[in-house]
Amino acid sequence: DTEVTQTPKHLVMGMTNKKSLKCEQHMGHRAMYWYKQKAKKPPELMFVYSYEKLSINESVPSRFSPECPNSSLLNLHLHALQPEDSALYLCASSQEQGRLGEKLFFGSGTQLSVL
Amino acid sequence: RKEVEQDPGPFNVPEGATVAFNCTYSNSASQSFFWYRQDCRKEPKLLMSVYSSGNEDGRFTAQLNRASQYISLLIRDSKLSDSATYLCVVASYNTDKLIFGTGTRLQVFP
Repeated sequence: DTEVTQTPKHLVMGMTNKKSLKCEQHMGHRAMYWYKQKAKKPPELMFVYSYEKLSINESVPSRFSPECPNSSLLNLHLHALQPEDSALYLCASSQEQGRLGEKLFFGSGTQLSVL
Repeated sequence: RKEVEQDPGPFNVPEGATVAFNCTYSNSASQSFFWYRQDCRKEPKLLMSVYSSGNEDGRFTAQLNRASQYISLLIRDSKLSDSATYLCVVASYNTDKLIFGTGTRLQVFP
C-alpha cells in the first residue's frame, strides 16, 4: 500500500469543466511533485514543491494550477483542459528535494480522461 | 541524445530465466541511480537504489559502471510476477530533478 494517497482514482471531465486532483502524505516529506504519464511513456515532471513553495514549474500550461496548502497536501487544479491532457497524473513525495540518494514515493495516480 | 536511455524491449523470457537490462546516462555529473518497477496502469515503485559497489537484493542485482556511464539490473530465476516495466532513474548533483528513462518492458511466460 502506498503512503501517498491520491484522489480521485479516475476522473472524466469535459473541456469546460473545473476539477481538482488531491494528494496527501503523512511521512513528513518536505518535497512534493506532480508528474504526468502518457501510455508507454515515462513520467514527465510538471511541478515540484519544496517546503510548501513552488520550486520547479516545467513550463506547464496555465490550465494546470498547483497548490500546496500545507506540508502534507498537494492539489492540482484543472481548468479548460484539452483531450491531449488525458493521462495518468502521479503525485510523489520525497524527504527533501535535490538531495542525493533521495527516493520518490508515488501515489497510485489519477487516470484522467478529457472529453 | 537522451539523458537516460533504455532498450524499450519487450524482453520475453521463460520462468526461471536470467535477464539483464542496461541503462545509459549522458550526464557525467550524475550521482544517484535507481531502478523503479511499474506495473500496467499502476504507479512506479522503487525496486532498488544502485550503489557504486553494486548491490543485491534477493534475485535482483544492480551494478553501476561510471567509466562507461551505465547501470544494469540483473534478475535471476524470473517469476511470472516480475512481468512489468523497469524504469531507470538518474539524478545529478547539479540539477534538482530525477530523470526517467523510457523503461524496459519485461514479460515472463510460463
